[in-house]
Amino acid sequence: QKEVEQDPGPLSVPEGAIVSLNCTYSNSAFQYFMWYRQYSRKGPELLMYTYSSGNKEDGRFTAQVDKSSKYISLFIRDSQPSDSATYLCAMNGNNFNKFYFGSGTKLNVKP
Amino acid sequence: NAGVTQTPKFQVLKTGQSMTLQCAQDMNHNSMYWYRQDPGMGLRLIYYSASEGTTDKGEVPNGYNVSRLNKREFSLRLESAAPSQTSVYFCASSFSGTGDSPLHFGNGTRLTVT
Repeated sequence: QKEVEQDPGPLSVPEGAIVSLNCTYSNSAFQYFMWYRQYSRKGPELLMYTYSSGNKEDGRFTAQVDKSSKYISLFIRDSQPSDSATYLCAMNGNNFNKFYFGSGTKLNVKP
Repeated sequence: NAGVTQTPKFQVLKTGQSMTLQCAQDMNHNSMYWYRQDPGMGLRLIYYSASEGTTDKGEVPNGYNVSRLNKREFSLRLESAAPSQTSVYFCASSFSGTGDSPLHFGNGTRLTVT
């Protein structure tokens, strides 16, 4: 079993929709949770970073962590065609140099 | 503010040829990493350097060597390229290498080995 599971998609939504992207994990020691956005032919770009459980909001983006269910989510409100990208989740248990990545969900926002 | 810079952006090699991928960061980060990204496999760690003067193997180190030249620069060398090394290679850096210091990535080197 992989440490981090992420549905690869693709996920196709109309412009303006609310998007929900999710990852599940198996290691209860994970404390730090990250979301990266990767445009085609570019490197992953850090989008959101949270510690432990709870919500964090940044503009149209909300990251949510439920440690009891080992489940994290990224919500995108009022989605735009420019949000079309692959979204990667990542996590760390504060172990030195041990970052675990999901395989990424490809999102397509249609105009 | 350049962040993490990788060169070259693209490279085509013949089987058996060698090459070095270069990476430099200007964020004063201590830890640096080399990942490869393949369809369906996600990001896999090749080597990392926790700090200047140290390097360690990651998940898929076979066929690669690395050098941490100084605090800013971390290079990846393919001594004898194989078609299985066709991939996109990403360099990343982190201030401390712990979870409270997320990774920052470069834009990758797309390598094809024929």
